[in-house]
Amino acid sequence: DTGVSQDPRHKITKRGQNVTFRCDPISEHNRLYWYRQTLGQGPEFLTYFQNEAQLEKSRLLSDRFSAERPKGSFSTLEIQRTEQGDSAMYLCASSLGSGKYEQYFGPGTRLTVT
Amino acid sequence: KQEVTQIPAALSVPEGENLVLNCSFTDSAIYNLQWFRQDPGKGLTSLLLIQSSQREQTSGRLNASLDKSSGRSTLYIAASQPGDSATYLCAVNNAGNMLTFGGGTRLMVKP
Repeated sequence: DTGVSQDPRHKITKRGQNVTFRCDPISEHNRLYWYRQTLGQGPEFLTYFQNEAQLEKSRLLSDRFSAERPKGSFSTLEIQRTEQGDSAMYLCASSLGSGKYEQYFGPGTRLTVT
Repeated sequence: KQEVTQIPAALSVPEGENLVLNCSFTDSAIYNLQWFRQDPGKGLTSLLLIQSSQREQTSGRLNASLDKSSGRSTLYIAASQPGDSATYLCAVNNAGNMLTFGGGTRLMVKP
């Protein structure tokens, strides 16, 4: 049973560029979550999927952010026209379902916007 | 809106000491609470999950308790080791969906 994987692990980009991150959840997990963590803070929720349906988005997810989960498998998070304030660790997690189920996290993608 | 607070923000102890990390939350209507460990620049490793109906969970040298009515959880680490040095995060699941995290406690165990 492999864990949650994320790609790339690190991304350095210039302000104004678009970036895309990928998350592969644990197989058979129908819930997939994205969080963002800035230095010295706890992670903050961005959005989550139940299979391929995006069910909730945080107000942190501005119009420049979009997430997809085609076919209910892997997910992508795209940031358009990146800003320096987007620099953070982007974490993906998955779970078997809602409620009582444990969330398992991937290693994260560290984004640096210069 | 759920708010989660962790005290202390940082803690330094000598090796072998037993220690307690604290987590408090404002909305007691929770599904469960998770404790995580995070090493610098890494992702989160789940340590313990306590369901709302449980009072405590144990794994090795770790014991987590939950007092839902008072909005508190503690993580007890017995016989601390330098390898325990990391940031410990607690997170609350309210609506069965996303987690709300505290700011973490940065632990340093000195040899």
